[in-house]
Amino acid sequence: AQTVTQSQPEMSVQEAETVTLSCTYDTSESDYYLFWYKQPPSRQMILVIRQEAYKQQNATENRFSVNFQKAAKSFSLKISDSQLGDAAMYFCAYRTSETQGGSEKLVFGKGTKLTVNP
Amino acid sequence: DAGVTQSPTHLIKTRGQQVTLRCSPKSGHDTVSWYQQALGQGPQFIFQYYEEEERQRGNFPDRFSGHQFPNYSSELNVNALLLGDSALYLCASKQLGTSGGRGGTGELFFGEGSRLTVL
Repeated sequence: AQTVTQSQPEMSVQEAETVTLSCTYDTSESDYYLFWYKQPPSRQMILVIRQEAYKQQNATENRFSVNFQKAAKSFSLKISDSQLGDAAMYFCAYRTSETQGGSEKLVFGKGTKLTVNP
Repeated sequence: DAGVTQSPTHLIKTRGQQVTLRCSPKSGHDTVSWYQQALGQGPQFIFQYYEEEERQRGNFPDRFSGHQFPNYSSELNVNALLLGDSALYLCASKQLGTSGGRGGTGELFFGEGSRLTVL
């Protein structure tokens, strides 16, 4: 079974600075998807960024980028130029790819609470 | 375009009672998944519905059951409630189309959840 571990329960960053959130995972599959979701106090999970395991290039979405290390099974999220609106819980998640049989099941980590200080 | 809508927003039940939570998927989406998020934890997959059938199930007892209607909306039912069932229940929808009920590259959209408290 796949597992996702987020070792930082809480992180803080100054506005306009850069912060990196860590995530490691365990799987025996060769093809899969990894995600970072943001959950603000409104409770709605919002997709931040997604990475497909067969792609070696790290995904980037505006101020958000990932460092995907497949061999190390590591998937960190970097937030540049942090804004007050980035404050939220961040969850790392794993999903099996269609080439491995496909799944709609997301396996989530326990989350990291990010505080942005003005 | 309305996103994923869930009802009720909050509810309180007592041990042993039964509860039904409802979810309307985003327009154009045909599959619905349910997650349980206990306080301070990440969401855990309960099950997925596609074409009115349960297609995948997580590690939850039979007390948790569901249904998908022809209009793609879904219900989550929990019988014989336990204190440990207190959690935020999230519904997520996606357009699978012809991917056979699993996988697909479409984005998953979540609702704001139903907060269940069991006393």
